Amino acid sequence: GESVGLHLPTLSVQEGDNSIINCAYSNSASDYFIWYKQESGKGPQFIIDIRSNMDKRQGQRVTVLLNKTVKHLSLQIAATQPGDSAVYFCAEIPGGGSNYKLTFGKGTLLTVNP
Amino acid sequence: EAQVTQNPRYLITVTGKKLTVTCSQNMNHEYMSWYRQDPGLGLRQIYYSMNVEVTDKGDVPEGYKVSRKEKRNFPLILESPSPNQTSLYFCASSLRSDGETQYFGPGTRLLVL
Repeated sequence: GESVGLHLPTLSVQEGDNSIINCAYSNSASDYFIWYKQESGKGPQFIIDIRSNMDKRQGQRVTVLLNKTVKHLSLQIAATQPGDSAVYFCAEIPGGGSNYKLTFGKGTLLTVNP
Repeated sequence: EAQVTQNPRYLITVTGKKLTVTCSQNMNHEYMSWYRQDPGLGLRQIYYSMNVEVTDKGDVPEGYKVSRKEKRNFPLILESPSPNQTSLYFCASSLRSDGETQYFGPGTRLLVL
């Protein structure tokens, strides 16, 4: 079956460094991608999204890059802070239909060292 | 405040004892969904609802039921819970069903003995 996955299960960075979290997807029909952040004991929280007609989108301290050629998605966090420590999930939604189904990757744990 | 609420937040029960986890959203969202989160497996969709009286199975629907009688509520029902349903459950909602971002509740941690 088709799935969303992650290259690295854990990532440890120093405070102030930039973080890059990667995600590979296999469904070429997916046309909408979302990054979620999940802090311990909380539900996933929306960070940023991107549609398949774009290859880059920027938010506050975060940038999402989409490479449709290799089916790769990345989340870049600038000047990482201790409050960024969390599990990050990418999620995809297949396009072309009215049935809305979000498929999540398994997550990457980001640890920010002070 | 716009939010998705779930109750209870924590529940310990025994095998076979029917239970219901409630989910409510105050954002007038059409789309609601239930997920379970397990270590190493990530978030998996149980059921979703496109609107009132419209529900459908997700990836792991076995052992669960849902109903959507009102737009704001989407309860998850375990008629006869089993230990393999021990998990962390999240309800989510979004404005529409055409790719809008989903907003998640705080989670319900269920232990079935």
